[in-house]
Amino acid sequence: AQKVTQAQTEISVVEKEDVTLDCVYETRDTTYYLFWYKQPPSGELVFLIRRNSFDEQNEISGRYSWNFQKSTSSFNFTITASQVVDSAVYFCALNGGSYIPTFGRGTSLIVHP
Amino acid sequence: DTGVSQNPRHKITKRGQNVTFRCDPISEHNRLYWYRQTLGQGPEFLTYFQNEAQLEKSRLLSDRFSAERPKGSFSTLEIQRTEQGDSAMYLCASSPPRAGLNTEAFFGQGTRLTVV
Repeated sequence: AQKVTQAQTEISVVEKEDVTLDCVYETRDTTYYLFWYKQPPSGELVFLIRRNSFDEQNEISGRYSWNFQKSTSSFNFTITASQVVDSAVYFCALNGGSYIPTFGRGTSLIVHP
Repeated sequence: DTGVSQNPRHKITKRGQNVTFRCDPISEHNRLYWYRQTLGQGPEFLTYFQNEAQLEKSRLLSDRFSAERPKGSFSTLEIQRTEQGDSAMYLCASSPPRAGLNTEAFFGQGTRLTVV
């Protein structure tokens, strides 16, 4: 069974602050992928980033960066210099051997001007 | 290609009525997923199709729920004898053929069901 836990239900920041969203996962699969999705008020989940289980190198893409640590089963996501348009609900997801993505409960990010 | 399309966007129904939702995946996507999302929660898996075959069903999918995907194109999700607990956002997602574990799911905007 797969499980994704996002302990932070809501984060509130002021524009230009950096913010990190936490994600912890459980799986028995040795090969899996982790994802972050963004759900704006319109409702459609939009893919942001992915990381495979064999590559723990952290990456940066624009204002997004992610930190994958297999030893702690964590896949944290950071937005640098947050903007009001970043306000949304962010979901961490795991895709293992079943090919059925499992999602966390989401973290609501509110960026104040 | 306009992405995954779901209709209707909103549905209000009386308890006990039957409702049917439709999902049109991205053209040529052979994998199709239905999820349910309640307020403050993440998407919960309901069922999964590969082409026209329904390969997986969640325990959440009671016998009042049925999903079909005739000819492996669009899909319908029917809820019979709706209950207030069925009120939620129903999300559809699709992914392309030969998609690996690394392939993200493409989501529609969802159908929001309110049972009164």
